[in-house]
Amino acid sequence: DIQMTQSPSSLSASVGDRVTITCRASQSISSYLNWYQQKPGKAPKLLIYAASSLQSGVPSRFSGSGSGTDFTLTISSLQPEDFATYYCQQSYSTPRSFGQGTKLEIK
Amino acid sequence: QVQLQESGPGLVKPSQTLSLTCTVSGGSISSGGYYWSWIRQHPGKGLEWIGYIYYSGSTYYNPSLKSRVTISVDTSKNQFSLKLSSVTAADTAVYYCARGNTYYNVERGMDYWGQGTLVTVSS
Repeated sequence: DIQMTQSPSSLSASVGDRVTITCRASQSISSYLNWYQQKPGKAPKLLIYAASSLQSGVPSRFSGSGSGTDFTLTISSLQPEDFATYYCQQSYSTPRSFGQGTKLEIK
Repeated sequence: QVQLQESGPGLVKPSQTLSLTCTVSGGSISSGGYYWSWIRQHPGKGLEWIGYIYYSGSTYYNPSLKSRVTISVDTSKNQFSLKLSSVTAADTAVYYCARGNTYYNVERGMDYWGQGTLVTVSS
Protein backbone atom coordinates (compact mmCIF):
# COMPACT_ATOMS: atom_id res chain seq x y z
CA ASP A 1 0.00 0.00 0.00
CA ILE A 2 1.13 3.56 -0.70
CA GLN A 3 1.47 5.84 2.31
CA MET A 4 0.93 9.58 1.89
CA THR A 5 2.57 11.98 4.32
CA GLN A 6 1.73 15.66 4.47
CA SER A 7 3.69 18.43 6.11
CA PRO A 8 3.12 20.42 8.10
CA SER A 9 0.17 18.97 10.01
CA SER A 10 -0.93 22.47 10.89
CA LEU A 11 -0.01 25.91 9.73
CA SER A 12 -0.81 29.45 10.87
CA ALA A 13 -0.81 32.17 8.27
CA SER A 14 -2.27 35.58 7.53
CA VAL A 15 -4.51 36.84 4.76
CA GLY A 16 -2.34 37.66 1.78
CA ASP A 17 0.41 35.18 2.67
CA ARG A 18 1.82 32.67 0.23
CA VAL A 19 1.46 29.17 1.64
CA THR A 20 2.92 25.84 0.56
CA ILE A 21 1.83 22.40 1.74
CA THR A 22 3.90 19.33 0.95
CA CYS A 23 2.80 15.76 0.29
CA ARG A 24 5.16 12.83 -0.05
CA ALA A 25 4.30 9.36 -1.34
CA SER A 26 6.01 6.23 -0.06
CA GLN A 27 6.69 5.19 -3.67
CA SER A 28 6.47 6.82 -7.05
CA ILE A 29 2.93 7.70 -8.10
CA SER A 30 3.85 9.57 -11.29
CA SER A 31 1.39 12.49 -11.37
CA TYR A 32 -1.57 10.64 -9.87
CA LEU A 33 -2.02 13.10 -7.05
CA ASN A 34 -5.12 15.09 -6.08
CA TRP A 35 -5.67 17.86 -3.54
CA TYR A 36 -8.87 18.50 -1.61
CA GLN A 37 -10.05 21.28 0.68
CA GLN A 38 -12.40 20.53 3.54
CA LYS A 39 -14.18 23.02 5.75
CA PRO A 40 -15.76 22.03 9.08
CA GLY A 41 -18.97 20.06 8.65
CA LYS A 42 -18.62 19.98 4.87
CA ALA A 43 -17.60 17.42 2.29
CA PRO A 44 -14.15 17.68 0.74
CA LYS A 45 -13.86 19.74 -2.42
CA LEU A 46 -11.53 18.83 -5.27
CA LEU A 47 -8.98 21.58 -5.96
CA ILE A 48 -6.24 20.01 -8.07
CA TYR A 49 -6.08 16.73 -9.98
CA ALA A 50 -3.22 15.01 -11.77
CA ALA A 51 -0.78 16.94 -9.58
CA SER A 52 -1.12 20.27 -11.35
CA SER A 53 -4.47 20.57 -13.14
CA LEU A 54 -6.86 23.09 -11.62
CA GLN A 55 -10.38 21.79 -11.15
CA SER A 56 -13.03 23.86 -12.91
CA GLY A 57 -14.26 26.74 -10.78
CA VAL A 58 -11.30 26.74 -8.40
CA PRO A 59 -9.54 30.11 -8.06
CA SER A 60 -6.22 30.45 -9.84
CA ARG A 61 -4.42 31.32 -6.59
CA PHE A 62 -4.35 27.55 -6.00
CA SER A 63 -1.66 25.62 -7.83
CA GLY A 64 -0.08 22.20 -7.61
CA SER A 65 3.24 20.79 -8.69
CA GLY A 66 5.40 17.72 -8.44
CA SER A 67 5.71 14.21 -9.75
CA GLY A 68 7.09 10.91 -8.56
CA THR A 69 7.05 11.07 -4.78
CA ASP A 70 7.08 14.78 -3.89
CA PHE A 71 4.23 17.20 -4.43
CA THR A 72 3.23 20.68 -3.32
CA LEU A 73 0.04 22.68 -3.07
CA THR A 74 0.58 26.43 -3.14
CA ILE A 75 -1.88 29.18 -2.34
CA SER A 76 -0.41 32.35 -3.76
CA SER A 77 -2.31 34.88 -1.65
CA LEU A 78 -4.44 33.54 1.18
CA GLN A 79 -8.03 34.67 1.32
CA PRO A 80 -10.29 34.41 4.39
CA GLU A 81 -12.25 31.56 2.81
CA ASP A 82 -9.09 29.47 2.35
CA PHE A 83 -8.73 28.64 6.03
CA ALA A 84 -9.58 24.95 6.05
CA THR A 85 -7.99 21.50 6.12
CA TYR A 86 -6.22 20.26 3.01
CA TYR A 87 -5.72 16.63 1.99
CA CYS A 88 -3.64 15.03 -0.69
CA GLN A 89 -4.75 11.72 -2.18
CA GLN A 90 -3.04 9.31 -4.55
CA SER A 91 -4.99 7.76 -7.40
CA TYR A 92 -2.12 5.67 -8.76
CA SER A 93 -3.23 2.40 -7.23
CA THR A 94 -5.69 0.82 -4.86
CA PRO A 95 -6.17 1.14 -2.04
CA ARG A 96 -6.49 4.83 -2.69
CA SER A 97 -4.91 6.69 0.23
CA PHE A 98 -5.07 10.16 1.68
CA GLY A 99 -2.55 12.20 3.56
CA GLN A 100 -3.34 12.92 7.19
CA GLY A 101 -4.36 16.49 6.41
CA THR A 102 -2.94 19.97 6.94
CA LYS A 103 -5.02 22.37 8.98
CA LEU A 104 -4.54 25.94 7.83
CA GLU A 105 -5.43 28.43 10.54
CA ILE A 106 -5.56 32.18 10.80
CA LYS A 107 -2.57 33.76 12.50
CA GLN B 1 -25.27 19.72 -12.19
CA VAL B 2 -24.40 16.34 -10.71
CA GLN B 3 -25.52 15.82 -7.14
CA LEU B 4 -24.98 12.91 -4.78
CA GLN B 5 -27.04 12.24 -1.66
CA GLU B 6 -26.39 9.62 1.00
CA SER B 7 -29.26 7.99 2.86
CA GLY B 8 -29.59 5.32 5.51
CA PRO B 9 -29.87 4.76 9.25
CA GLY B 10 -27.92 7.10 11.47
CA LEU B 11 -27.71 4.54 14.27
CA VAL B 12 -26.62 0.93 13.93
CA LYS B 13 -26.20 -1.63 16.70
CA PRO B 14 -22.88 -3.38 17.22
CA SER B 15 -22.46 -6.61 15.20
CA GLN B 16 -25.16 -5.53 12.75
CA THR B 17 -24.74 -4.41 9.13
CA LEU B 18 -24.44 -0.76 8.17
CA SER B 19 -26.30 -0.03 4.93
CA LEU B 20 -26.12 3.24 3.03
CA THR B 21 -27.34 4.30 -0.39
CA CYS B 22 -26.06 7.10 -2.58
CA THR B 23 -28.53 8.55 -5.07
CA VAL B 24 -27.04 10.29 -8.08
CA SER B 25 -28.94 13.04 -9.85
CA GLY B 26 -28.06 15.25 -12.78
CA GLY B 27 -26.18 12.49 -14.55
CA SER B 28 -26.31 8.79 -15.29
CA ILE B 29 -24.45 6.34 -13.09
CA SER B 30 -24.05 4.21 -16.22
CA SER B 31 -21.96 6.82 -18.01
CA GLY B 32 -18.51 5.63 -18.88
CA GLY B 33 -15.53 7.44 -17.45
CA TYR B 34 -16.64 7.48 -13.85
CA TYR B 35 -16.38 5.35 -10.76
CA TRP B 36 -18.49 5.60 -7.62
CA SER B 37 -16.77 5.74 -4.28
CA TRP B 38 -17.34 5.53 -0.56
CA ILE B 39 -15.08 7.38 1.87
CA ARG B 40 -15.44 7.78 5.62
CA GLN B 41 -14.14 10.15 8.24
CA HIS B 42 -13.95 9.26 11.90
CA PRO B 43 -14.89 12.14 14.23
CA GLY B 44 -12.14 14.73 14.19
CA LYS B 45 -9.91 12.56 11.98
CA GLY B 46 -8.78 12.30 8.39
CA LEU B 47 -10.30 10.66 5.33
CA GLU B 48 -10.35 6.91 4.79
CA TRP B 49 -11.06 5.38 1.40
CA ILE B 50 -13.50 2.45 1.64
CA GLY B 51 -13.80 1.40 -1.99
CA TYR B 52 -15.41 2.06 -5.33
CA ILE B 53 -17.44 0.49 -8.08
CA TYR B 54 -17.75 0.98 -11.81
CA TYR B 55 -21.18 0.88 -13.41
CA SER B 56 -20.17 -2.47 -14.88
CA GLY B 57 -20.03 -3.83 -11.35
CA SER B 58 -16.25 -4.10 -10.95
CA THR B 59 -15.29 -3.30 -7.38
CA TYR B 60 -12.16 -2.30 -5.49
CA TYR B 61 -12.05 -2.34 -1.70
CA ASN B 62 -9.68 -1.18 1.02
CA PRO B 63 -7.96 -4.36 2.23
CA SER B 64 -8.41 -3.20 5.81
CA LEU B 65 -12.19 -3.47 5.37
CA LYS B 66 -12.45 -5.92 2.50
CA SER B 67 -13.79 -8.85 4.50
CA ARG B 68 -16.73 -6.74 5.70
CA VAL B 69 -17.51 -4.44 2.76
CA THR B 70 -19.80 -4.80 -0.21
CA ILE B 71 -20.43 -2.02 -2.73
CA SER B 72 -23.12 -2.53 -5.32
CA VAL B 73 -24.77 -0.49 -8.05
CA ASP B 74 -28.39 -0.25 -9.18
CA THR B 75 -28.36 1.43 -12.56
CA SER B 76 -32.17 1.38 -12.81
CA LYS B 77 -32.41 3.62 -9.75
CA ASN B 78 -29.20 5.57 -10.45
CA GLN B 79 -27.92 4.53 -7.04
CA PHE B 80 -24.99 2.74 -5.51
CA SER B 81 -24.81 1.25 -2.05
CA LEU B 82 -22.47 0.37 0.78
CA LYS B 83 -22.85 -2.51 3.19
CA LEU B 84 -20.44 -2.91 6.09
CA SER B 85 -21.00 -5.97 8.23
CA SER B 86 -20.17 -6.79 11.84
CA VAL B 87 -19.83 -3.15 12.82
CA THR B 88 -18.26 -1.94 16.04
CA ALA B 89 -17.91 1.47 17.66
CA ALA B 90 -14.78 1.92 15.55
CA ASP B 91 -17.03 2.19 12.49
CA THR B 92 -18.71 5.32 13.84
CA ALA B 93 -17.94 7.96 11.24
CA VAL B 94 -19.28 10.34 8.65
CA TYR B 95 -19.72 8.38 5.43
CA TYR B 96 -19.39 10.15 2.09
CA CYS B 97 -20.20 9.00 -1.40
CA ALA B 98 -18.31 10.56 -4.28
CA ARG B 99 -17.85 10.36 -8.04
CA GLY B 100 -14.43 9.55 -9.39
CA ASN B 101 -13.69 10.97 -12.80
CA THR B 102 -11.55 9.18 -15.35
CA TYR B 103 -12.95 10.84 -18.43
CA TYR B 104 -10.77 10.44 -21.52
CA ASN B 105 -8.76 7.94 -19.49
CA VAL B 106 -7.29 10.70 -17.34
CA GLU B 107 -7.60 10.26 -13.58
CA ARG B 108 -9.27 13.52 -12.49
CA GLY B 109 -9.92 12.87 -8.82
CA MET B 110 -13.25 12.73 -7.01
CA ASP B 111 -15.09 15.73 -8.35
CA TYR B 112 -18.55 15.45 -6.81
CA TRP B 113 -19.31 14.46 -3.23
CA GLY B 114 -22.40 13.90 -1.16
CA GLN B 115 -22.86 16.01 1.95
CA GLY B 116 -22.00 13.06 4.17
CA THR B 117 -24.02 11.17 6.73
CA LEU B 118 -23.04 10.42 10.31
CA VAL B 119 -23.45 6.80 11.29
CA THR B 120 -23.12 5.98 14.96
CA VAL B 121 -22.59 2.42 16.13
CA SER B 122 -24.08 2.00 19.57
CA SER B 123 -26.44 -0.26 21.44
